Amino acid sequence: NAGVTQTPKFQVLKTGQSMTLQCAQDMNHNSMYWYRQDPGMGLRLIYYSASEGTTDKGEVPNGYNVSRLNKREFSLRLESAAPSQTSVYFCASSGRDLREQFFGPGTRLTVL
Amino acid sequence: GQSLEQPSEVTAVEGAIVQINCTYQTSGFYGLSWYQQHDGGAPTFLSYNALDGLEETGRFSSFLSRSDSYGYLLLQELQMKDSASYFCAGGTGGFKTIFGAGTRLFVKA
Repeated sequence: NAGVTQTPKFQVLKTGQSMTLQCAQDMNHNSMYWYRQDPGMGLRLIYYSASEGTTDKGEVPNGYNVSRLNKREFSLRLESAAPSQTSVYFCASSGRDLREQFFGPGTRLTVL
Repeated sequence: GQSLEQPSEVTAVEGAIVQINCTYQTSGFYGLSWYQQHDGGAPTFLSYNALDGLEETGRFSSFLSRSDSYGYLLLQELQMKDSASYFCAGGTGGFKTIFGAGTRLFVKA
């Protein structure tokens, strides 16, 4: 099992460009999450999906959109990237035991 | 508001015991989790406390006191590979989790 996978691993964008970060899990988990991690600030929840077909805002949703494509896949879209969105983005999933989240390897995004 | 506070850095010697504290201010936290993250890596789950008391998993133990809004992670028999960042995280109900800013642990030989 691959667990949680994310693509791409690295990305550089110019201000105003758009892109989609992909995430997939093969653990048959219902719940999936997108976090961003900035130096000294820990992880902040952007959006989450409690189950297939539902999505909800987290702490810092502005500037992002998400799609829960199916049970396995949860994508994060930046419509018009800004330098403030330079960060490391982690996707995570959890099963019935919500307390334990499994994280993907992360996407390191730089917006110039 | 909802927040968790941890020391930014802790240094300890190989073979020793170290405690990383976490205090939180929130209403409705239903438990405390701990995650480990090595530089350049992803967070990995270590432990969870739903109730007051101590939970032990090998060299790692975690403690929670809900009345004091306080918890800690205890690492015993420190090894060089334990050098990493450690995050406490609180479940706020439903699916939302709030993470602390993390404690960077340096293990010296």
